Amino acid sequence: ETGVTQSPTHLIKTRGQQVTLRCSSQSGHNTVSWYQQALGQGPQFIFQYYREEENGRGNFPPRFSGLQFPNYSSELNVNALELDDSALYLCASSLTSGSDEQYFGPGTRLTVT
Amino acid sequence: GEDVEQSLFLSVREGDSSVINCTYTDSSSTYLYWYKQEPGAGLQLLTYIFSNMDMKQDQRLTVLLNKKDKHLSLRIADTQTGDSAIYFCAESSGNDMRFGAGTRLTVKP
Repeated sequence: ETGVTQSPTHLIKTRGQQVTLRCSSQSGHNTVSWYQQALGQGPQFIFQYYREEENGRGNFPPRFSGLQFPNYSSELNVNALELDDSALYLCASSLTSGSDEQYFGPGTRLTVT
Repeated sequence: GEDVEQSLFLSVREGDSSVINCTYTDSSSTYLYWYKQEPGAGLQLLTYIFSNMDMKQDQRLTVLLNKKDKHLSLRIADTQTGDSAIYFCAESSGNDMRFGAGTRLTVKP
């Protein structure tokens, strides 16, 4: 148990819709990172939030956006869903930005039809 | 961009040692990690090594780092059936982490 939780566990959406995924970090961890893991691949870094500000972004379009709240919860929002957005979305919390240890949640499996 | 590469499959007999190898290209990597992922689950941090170290041992796990060759390995001693999973190598030099595609370890009784 890492103390990082994500909701929902599974989600099915239709192409063009919008989705919000949620993550609750470990208490005291002020950094959260989001990753996309397509089937059979390793996780790909989407972005990181540190103290409620975006603090680094991977190669993902602007329709992927996020929010981080003071209560150690965060959201990943994806607009205009595409079929290729189907993946496991993982959040990871760490004590601070650039920390040596990131603790992953169990993920949200998103299916876009 | 920077890449992390791993072999896709490894099969061993219970009780044998497993060695999972990884290569990376980013010479500015600060930390290198090994994560375990079981079916339907998130990633479990197994161990990590700072880039100025060449070895780290933690119970059954031994990590070897050859920084010159950008080669990282994970040795699991006395491999058990419960070790069957996908193992990801990852490296970071800042805020993000770059993962390999994962090595599926199968442990046969």
